[in-house]
Amino acid sequence: QSVLTQPPSVSAAPGQKVTISCSGSSSNIGKNYVSWYQQLPGTAPKLLIYDNTKRPSGIPDRFSGSKSGTSATLGITGLQAGDEADYYCGTWDNSLSDVIFGGGTKLTVL
Amino acid sequence: EVQLVQSGAEVKKPGESLRISCKASGYRLSSHWIAWVRQMPGKGLEWMGIIYPDDSDTRYSPSFQGLVTISADKSITTAYLQWSSLRASDTAMYYCARATAVAGTSSWYMDVWGRGTPITVSS
Repeated sequence: QSVLTQPPSVSAAPGQKVTISCSGSSSNIGKNYVSWYQQLPGTAPKLLIYDNTKRPSGIPDRFSGSKSGTSATLGITGLQAGDEADYYCGTWDNSLSDVIFGGGTKLTVL
Repeated sequence: EVQLVQSGAEVKKPGESLRISCKASGYRLSSHWIAWVRQMPGKGLEWMGIIYPDDSDTRYSPSFQGLVTISADKSITTAYLQWSSLRASDTAMYYCARATAVAGTSSWYMDVWGRGTPITVSS
């Protein structure tokens, strides 16, 4: 059971928008920055979002991050077949003194 | 090109020791933290710990403290993850990643990842 809660799966049609939520608490998301990672099938994770909202160089602006209170959200617009992947949120937990990840969300592009 | 090149797949027996490596290129290894992340078959990501190769400052996740050893040799821009006695439950993919701390906070993010080293532990 992950400390950060993500929906196990989400789906949407090509071209549509999808959001993936990451719910935590005051000891993690509430006080720290959130990052998001994309893991395409059979590959290593890739950083999509850091510092809650920032995109690394090379990440298209179709990907966005936000945070409010003890929850964070990853948004993906203009869905493409190549976006099918597992998505993970991550942050620091002050109580656990540990970097923690959500359980992951599998995105299916219908 | 900034990259982390990890050592190859391993098949080991329970009780055996193992050290896997992660070689950095395209940037100064000693000026960035390196994290190790475990992914068990069909499961999510688990942060194991980090090391600052310049002075070998090492911090472990409480879940992995005492179970593994993280080290680095900055002269050859390589970080290591090692076990003294493997268990079947160590079967997983292990990733190294360049880790950056958000200034003034305890937050981290991993911006460059190796391709992973799969480890199978079976009798």
